[in-house]
Amino acid sequence: AQSVTQLDSQVPVFEEAPVELRCNYSSSVSVYLFWYVQYPNQGLQLLLKYLSGSTLVESINGFEAEFNKSQTSFHLRKPSVHISDTAEYFCAVSPLTTNDYKLSFGAGTTVTVRA
Amino acid sequence: DAGVTQSPTHLIKTRGQQVTLRCSPKSGHDTVSWYQQALGQGPQFIFQYYEEEERQRGNFPDRFSGHQFPNYSSELNVNALLLGDSALYLCASSKGPGSPLHFGNGTRLTVT
Repeated sequence: AQSVTQLDSQVPVFEEAPVELRCNYSSSVSVYLFWYVQYPNQGLQLLLKYLSGSTLVESINGFEAEFNKSQTSFHLRKPSVHISDTAEYFCAVSPLTTNDYKLSFGAGTTVTVRA
Repeated sequence: DAGVTQSPTHLIKTRGQQVTLRCSPKSGHDTVSWYQQALGQGPQFIFQYYEEEERQRGNFPDRFSGHQFPNYSSELNVNALLLGDSALYLCASSKGPGSPLHFGNGTRLTVT
């Protein structure tokens, strides 16, 4: 079984400041890792994912996340946020196991960007 | 190209009633997964349908059941509703069981 812990439930941040959202996971098998974003009254959108290869993954809108296997972490960062980044962010894992495709999500981190 | 569509968007039911939620997958997708997102929590996996069969199930009671039709659309049924079933129900589709998920905007169910 897998579990995901997002260490911050709410993160207030000023516009153009950096932000880091912390995510730790627990699993008895290797996993794929994901970050999803949820804007108000909408479903989840995939922000970025780690499947294999380079441990640093980037999204098209300036977010990046680094997989750290020894610390079982997948923290999300952005060097300069915009008002439009205000949303809820979810870290999720999926096991590298045949016939097991479910995503296990953390409880989410609400990011509020202020001018 | 329409994404994942869910209906209805909002629903209010009374304890003990039954409810059916509907999902049409993104064009080209053949797999549908359902998640329950309670207020202030992350989504929880309910089950996944592929080739009209339930392929994988999360830790939900038998009151939660589903169906997938030949056109890949899907329904989620919940019987004997409890107050604790109040949540946002998210449908996600993919091109095969292990492919990236595309989520709909969800159905907000309120049980009174």
